[in-house]
Amino acid sequence: AQSVTQLDSQVPVFEEAPVELRCNYSSSVSVYLFWYVQYPNQGLQLLLKYLSGSTLVESINGFEAEFNKSQTSFHLRKPSVHISDTAEYFCAVSDLRAGGTSYGKLTFGQGTILTVHP
Amino acid sequence: NAGVTQTPKFRVLKTGQSMTLLCAQDMNHEYMYWYRQDPGMGLRLIHYSVGEGTTAKGEVPDGYNVSRLKKQNFLLGLESAAPSQTSVYFCASSYGGRASTDTQYFGPGTRLTVL
Repeated sequence: AQSVTQLDSQVPVFEEAPVELRCNYSSSVSVYLFWYVQYPNQGLQLLLKYLSGSTLVESINGFEAEFNKSQTSFHLRKPSVHISDTAEYFCAVSDLRAGGTSYGKLTFGQGTILTVHP
Repeated sequence: NAGVTQTPKFRVLKTGQSMTLLCAQDMNHEYMYWYRQDPGMGLRLIHYSVGEGTTAKGEVPDGYNVSRLKKQNFLLGLESAAPSQTSVYFCASSYGGRASTDTQYFGPGTRLTVL
């Protein structure tokens, strides 16, 4: 079994400030890691994902996340946030079960609501 | 290109009533999923399908049934609704090639209230 813990349920910040949203996971097998974002009254959309290779992954809108295997973490960061980044952010894992039998099932964290104030 | 659509967007049921939520995708994806989203609990997988005519249970399947008669559609049924099924329901789909790495594409959600 695997689980995902997002350590902060709500993160308020001012515009142009840096932000870090924390995510820790536990799993008995290797995992792929994802961050999804949900803007108000919308479905989720992929922000970025770690599959292999460089442990630092970036999104097109300035977010980045670093996979830390020893600390089983995948924290999301942005050096300067905008009002438009206000949303709920979900960390998720998908396991690498042999033969692909996990069928891409995602285990989500509880979500972190990021509110950017002017 | 509509992506993933869900019908209806909102619904209010009385305890014991039944209903079906429809999910449709136009991306020719093999895999489809139904999740429920509850405050403070993230999204939890109800059922999923890895191809036309196949379905499987997820993390919280009790009280729900699903069908995938056509590749593009995935139906979620509640036979006898209970207040505990008040939630926001999301459908998602993915290509299904290397499923664990695939991006899942989500619909806009259905907000269901059971009185």
